[in-house]
Amino acid sequence: DSGVTQTPKHLITATGQRVTLRCSPRSGDLSVYWYQQSLDQGLQFLIQYYNGEERAKGNILERFSAQQFPDLHSELNLSSLELGDSALYFCASSTRTAGNTIYFGEGSWLTVV
Amino acid sequence: AQSVAQPEDQVNVAEGNPLTVKCTYSVSGNPYLFWYVQYPNRGLQFLLKYITGDNLVKGSYGFEAEFNKSQTSFHLKKPSALVSDSALYFCAVRDKGRDDKIIFGKGTRLHILP
Repeated sequence: DSGVTQTPKHLITATGQRVTLRCSPRSGDLSVYWYQQSLDQGLQFLIQYYNGEERAKGNILERFSAQQFPDLHSELNLSSLELGDSALYFCASSTRTAGNTIYFGEGSWLTVV
Repeated sequence: AQSVAQPEDQVNVAEGNPLTVKCTYSVSGNPYLFWYVQYPNRGLQFLLKYITGDNLVKGSYGFEAEFNKSQTSFHLKKPSALVSDSALYFCAVRDKGRDDKIIFGKGTRLHILP
């Protein structure tokens, strides 16, 4: 168990809908990362937050947004969902030290039908 | 921008034989390098990392990796493969002194044949 908790584990929704994925980082970790894993695109970095502020941005679509709250949990919001958004979404967390290892949650499976 | 290449989609090794999973990277500065393993329907698990110092890094489950700066490589190795090592392996890189992005390779599926 990495200590990173993601909910829900599985989600099925229709095209055009909006969903929110939730992540609780490991105790004491200030950084949260979001990744998308799909069969054809591999593991894509979406966005990273540190102590509530956005630190780095990757290939995140404009339909997607994220935030990190004062209690350090994070949410990834996916809107106007398309079939191609079906994927496994991972949250990871780390401390803010040089060479920090990031620890992954078990992921949220999103299926858009 | 940093990048990672895992040139092999799949590697097949007989049980008991040594295994190598290849990784090369590109960064503008000095790298932090990582290996992760993913079992079916699970998250990624940390195996080992290179920060600085000894080029040979030892990690979990008997795995090790060798940092080669001149070849910009960080290959994962194990002297004797187990069937239970069959999984998807990811190499990742972070550029020291840059932003906090950690970029992953596409992954290599390792099959250990009994």
